[in-house]
Amino acid sequence: EAGVAQSPRYKIIEKRQSVAFWCNPISGHATLYWYQQILGQGPKLLIQFQNNGVVDDSQLPKDRFSAERLKGVDSTLKIQPAKLEDSAVYLCASSSRLAIHPDTQYFGPGTRLTVL
Amino acid sequence: DAKTTQPPSMDCAEGRAANLPCNHSTISGNEYVYWYRQIHSQGPQYIIHGLKNNETNEMASLIITEDRKSSTLILPHATLRDTAVYYCIVSFSGTYKYIFGTGTRLKVLA
Repeated sequence: EAGVAQSPRYKIIEKRQSVAFWCNPISGHATLYWYQQILGQGPKLLIQFQNNGVVDDSQLPKDRFSAERLKGVDSTLKIQPAKLEDSAVYLCASSSRLAIHPDTQYFGPGTRLTVL
Repeated sequence: DAKTTQPPSMDCAEGRAANLPCNHSTISGNEYVYWYRQIHSQGPQYIIHGLKNNETNEMASLIITEDRKSSTLILPHATLRDTAVYYCIVSFSGTYKYIFGTGTRLKVLA
């Protein structure tokens, strides 16, 4: 079974530029999460989707961050414009309510963003 | 805020058991304890979870105290590849939400 795929793995941009990250969850997983992990900290949930609907985006800085999951499968997270403090690893995870352990989340390798 | 407290770092000799503690004194009756680990430059990896009984799988054992206010993750024979940050998380079953703390950085020494 293929895991969660993310691209790109690394991205370097200058402040005020825009950037987009892509995530393809495990096949059949209806729940998709985006996390932000700043160096030295644990991951922080930005947004959670159930199919193509948003379940929780309370921690998403909506003035600059947006995310979509139009067909309920893959997802894109965008930052526009980027700030220096957005430098972090962006992790995507997925889970399935139909699994034996529905709360278990499976994480992708992450995208490391550096904002100069 | 995370509902768990973990020591920031621990060392363990290769081949010995690594015992990683976690305090979750405010855990409620239907919250599970989850353990994940994150090896450098990778996403977190699921290890094990439990509600109130001790659990064991091919990776580790989870010991939860009777009052459920703390737990210990045991890696029975640590190897160099177990060097990672280990996160203890409590989560309501069915909410599918995790709040990560800063975890324990385990270093396995040769």
